Amino acid sequence: AQSVTQLGSHVSVSEGALVLLRCNYSSSGPPSLFWYVQYPNQGLQLLLKYTSAATLVKGINGFEAEFKKSETSFHLTKPSAHMSDAAEYFCAVTRGYNKLIFGAGTRLAVHP
Amino acid sequence: GAVVSQHPSWVICKSGTSVKIECRSLDFQATTMFWYRQFPKQSLMLMATSNEGSKATYEQGVEKDKFLINHASLTLSTLTVTSAHPEDSSFYICSARPSGGDYGYTFGSGTRLTVV
Repeated sequence: AQSVTQLGSHVSVSEGALVLLRCNYSSSGPPSLFWYVQYPNQGLQLLLKYTSAATLVKGINGFEAEFKKSETSFHLTKPSAHMSDAAEYFCAVTRGYNKLIFGAGTRLAVHP
Repeated sequence: GAVVSQHPSWVICKSGTSVKIECRSLDFQATTMFWYRQFPKQSLMLMATSNEGSKATYEQGVEKDKFLINHASLTLSTLTVTSAHPEDSSFYICSARPSGGDYGYTFGSGTRLTVV
């Protein structure tokens, strides 16, 4: 079975500061991992995904994540936060052509 | 590419009536689509997996007779909330994965259902 734990339901950073959103996963086999962003009353937009290729994955809007098997982690980072990054972020895991299992989400606030 | 269109984006209905939500893959074929429900400030909970040409697979605790899913073609899945009640009010989101794709899941923009 697969599961995801997102550490920190709320994260607040200053504009220009490093963004770090934590995600740990559990999977019975090689996982595929995803980060999505959701703005209010909207669907989910894919930021990046890991599917057994390079462990450092670069996504849209300057985000990247590193797959660390030894730590079962897939943390999302961005060197410099922008006001427009304020949103809800979800980490998700799947294995094979199967359903996505989501973490509880992390709300990112960016203040001036 | 890989666009999913969900309609309507919001709907208000009276208790006891039924509401149908459509999920279409616009530029790819999807043998599998997923329906999620999201309560305010919460994560997405998978309701069911919709399989083209066969019965949907429902998650534990989801009422099959209340949330009817039909996936009659490779580009369309529908979710019908039957005999809606105020507690069914929620944000419903569909997702689709291109057949034979690279694990890419695309999401619709969601439907805000309010039952009064």
